[in-house]
Amino acid sequence: QKEVEQNSGPLSVPEGAIASLNCTYSDRVSQSFFWYRQYSGKSPELIMSIYSNGDKEDGRFTAQLNKASQYVSLLIRDSQPSDSATYLCAVNGGRDDKIIFGKGTRLHILP
Amino acid sequence: GAVVSQHPSWVICKSGTSVKIECRSLDFQATTMFWYRQFPKQSLMLMATSNEGSKATYEQGVEKDKFLINHASLTLSTLTVTSAHPEDSSFYICSARWQDYEQYFGPGTRLTVT
Repeated sequence: QKEVEQNSGPLSVPEGAIASLNCTYSDRVSQSFFWYRQYSGKSPELIMSIYSNGDKEDGRFTAQLNKASQYVSLLIRDSQPSDSATYLCAVNGGRDDKIIFGKGTRLHILP
Repeated sequence: GAVVSQHPSWVICKSGTSVKIECRSLDFQATTMFWYRQFPKQSLMLMATSNEGSKATYEQGVEKDKFLINHASLTLSTLTVTSAHPEDSSFYICSARWQDYEQYFGPGTRLTVT
């Protein structure tokens, strides 16, 4: 059974600080990794995808992947109240495989 | 990112009736679409995988005769909830796979069965 694990939170971070969200996955051959943001009552929105070890930066977001440790993280710099949402980690094992979602981490940015 | 639409965004129906939800990929062709259901404060639950031109693959515990899925073209998949009951009230979300890897979600359809 392929699994994606996330701390459910809530994770409370002061405005302007760095929010760090973590995720581990069980399938060692996983190839694609994604972070989605979901606001309450809305559908998930893809914010980052990463395919190789290391860091990938996009604006205030940085995704980090360590395949040896089966670990992927998302850093949000200069956190804003609008970043308060549930963040879903997702992992895809291969081209024709379906994405496996974690249960999400609730992030709360404190004004 | 790619754009996926859903229609309707919300629907209220009476118990025993059927409801059809449409999911369209607006700017790309999607050979594979997915249907999810999400209850309040709960995580996404994959219901089925919809492949263009073939039968959908349902997840364990999802009744295929109750949740009819049709993927007749590369840009359209439909989910029909047949003989809906109050326990089917939920947030139904579709997604489409883009370039074999990334999935983009539609805005969701909120179904209320009275």
